[in-house]
Parts: sequence; C-alpha cells; structure tokens
Amino acid sequence: GQNIDQPTEMTATEGAIVQINCTYQTSGFNGLFWYQQHAGEAPTFLSYNVLDGLEEKGRFSSFLSRSKGYSYLLLKELQMKDSASYLCASMDSNYQLIWGAGTKLIIKP
Amino acid sequence: SQTIHQWPATLVQPVGSPLSLECTVEGTSNPNLYWYRQAAGRGLQLLFYSVGIGQISSEVPQNLSASRPQDRQFILSSKKLLLSDSGFYLCAWGTAENSPLHFGNGTRLTVT
Repeated sequence: GQNIDQPTEMTATEGAIVQINCTYQTSGFNGLFWYQQHAGEAPTFLSYNVLDGLEEKGRFSSFLSRSKGYSYLLLKELQMKDSASYLCASMDSNYQLIWGAGTKLIIKP
Repeated sequence: SQTIHQWPATLVQPVGSPLSLECTVEGTSNPNLYWYRQAAGRGLQLLFYSVGIGQISSEVPQNLSASRPQDRQFILSSKKLLLSDSGFYLCAWGTAENSPLHFGNGTRLTVT
C-alpha cells in the first residue's frame, strides 16, 4: 500500500533549528512536496524535491533520499510565525499526491 | 498571475440539505482541478479531480459529486448532506503533472 509517515507534533524554541522527517512508500515516485498549513487556513507550497539532495530556500531547506524513501524539512532561525502544520506529500506513478497527516510544529519563545 | 477563488468560506447546513461549493481559477488555461477534504487533525483526502471540461475522476465513493462545466470552474455538490460530510473542503489547481498544487482558501462545512 501507499503510506506517508511523519511525526504528529514537534516543539522547538524561537531562533533554533528544527528538522521534520517524512518517510514514504508509494507506487512509483514523481517527487516529494512540502506544504505549510496555518491553523484554519489552506496549505501553501514550500518545496519540491525529485532528485536526491538538499534544496535550500531562505530559512527553509528540504532533503530527499530516494533510495531510503526519506525526506526532511529543515527550518532555521525559527520565528513564532513558523508555528503551523507541515504536510509531506509524495507523488506516485499516476501523478497523484499521497499526503501525510501533517506535523504540528509548536514554537515556544 | 494565477488566482483561485473558493466560496463560501464557512457554511452550516442541516442534515439532508443540498450542497454546492464553487471554485474558479483565473490566469491559467486547462488547469488540473481538485477537491480535497480535511477532517480535523487529519491529512488531505482527495475527493475528485479533473483534467478537463466534463472529465471527473472520483477517488472516494460517497454522496458527493463534482462537475466541471467550464475550463476554470469546479463545483462540488451533494443532494443530501450527512453528518460525516462535515470538514474543511479545499479546491486546488495544478498545471504540469508534477507541478505543485495551489489551494483556495477553503470552505469549513458544518453539518448539524
């Protein structure tokens, strides 16, 4: 079957670094997406990885290892506004997104 | 630039009543369109997707239906709502097959 696993909740301190892990098992693979979703709002696109390695976008970076079925989202210099859920989604061979349940990130001052 | 509009933002409906949620996209042609539902604390569940006018694929059997009467319009409907239809409904669009999806602001539906 197809499955995405990510931690349910994480807590971090303002100004620190946090890594949110995601493991995936999908029928085929056409890329790994990360989205940010603030409470009560729609998800917004953060990053896309299709090749192994690290993609950096400002304070956010995303890593992919296709052989391990593993990705992580790295958030640096955490700000209170980064408190949100982070959704991992893998695109299967039919170009359909398989979504994880999301990781709720709580930032403490 | 492309924008997506979804309405209404919130909706409270009694059990057994009909439903119509509408979504329109501007600034792009022939987008792939999607309806998702998100239950509280849960992941996104794909309900329907469409790759063109009149082409609807259903992912989950239920009492909901979708239609795409125009290229950039996607409608989610129900003839009779159930309590279990409550949730956060999201419309999304994408272009190329491996492009990111862009979501509308969502509709929070409460069935009472």
